[in-house]
Amino acid sequence: QVQLVQSGAEVKKPGASVKVSCKASGYNYTNLVIHWVRQAPGQRLEWMGWINLGNDKTKYSEKFQDRVSVTRETSATTAHLVLNSLRSEDTGVYYCAKDLLVGTTTLDFWGQGTLVTVSS
Amino acid sequence: DIEMTQSPSSLSASVGDRVTVTCRASQPISIYLNWYQHKLGEAPKLLIYSASRPQSGVPSRFSGSGSGTEFTLTISSLQTEDVATYYCQQSYRDPGTFGQGTKVEIK
Repeated sequence: QVQLVQSGAEVKKPGASVKVSCKASGYNYTNLVIHWVRQAPGQRLEWMGWINLGNDKTKYSEKFQDRVSVTRETSATTAHLVLNSLRSEDTGVYYCAKDLLVGTTTLDFWGQGTLVTVSS
Repeated sequence: DIEMTQSPSSLSASVGDRVTVTCRASQPISIYLNWYQHKLGEAPKLLIYSASRPQSGVPSRFSGSGSGTEFTLTISSLQTEDVATYYCQQSYRDPGTFGQGTKVEIK
């Protein structure tokens, strides 16, 4: 059974960067693609990008590609999302998730979510 | 980006009622449509993928249908534990965009 455990809540000032981590267990990492999805208060879910833990390939939504970076640890079981130049609109819950169908955004297992608050 | 529009935005129904949520895509997406259930304080849960395929472990009262631009999620007999917000999502083309959500409550 796949488990995705995320790092804890963060409070950041505008202009800063935030790093959110997602540790995977119970799955062969060579076939594991981790996606990042966020939800601002009162808004719809928003896909940000993914990383293939097996080969380190990444893909980002055009909306975020200038400010976002998704990396993996050398153990290849943890993915990190870094979002730069934070603004108040980036406040929300950030989720990592695994795709059911490799290469698609059909997401079958999700982390518990990480609240990021951007406030001066 | 492909725009996804759900209706209604919210609904209130009685236990045992049949509930239907509609999702419309701004362009044809074949059957690349997923439905998620999102309860307050929890992670979203995949209910239906490829428009009509139930995810493992999902109760049989949940079903999906449609293709092209019009899709439907049906709860055949609403239960108290179904109180949640339901989102459709297209996986036809990146970014995998979501609808605005339908909040389902018990009357």
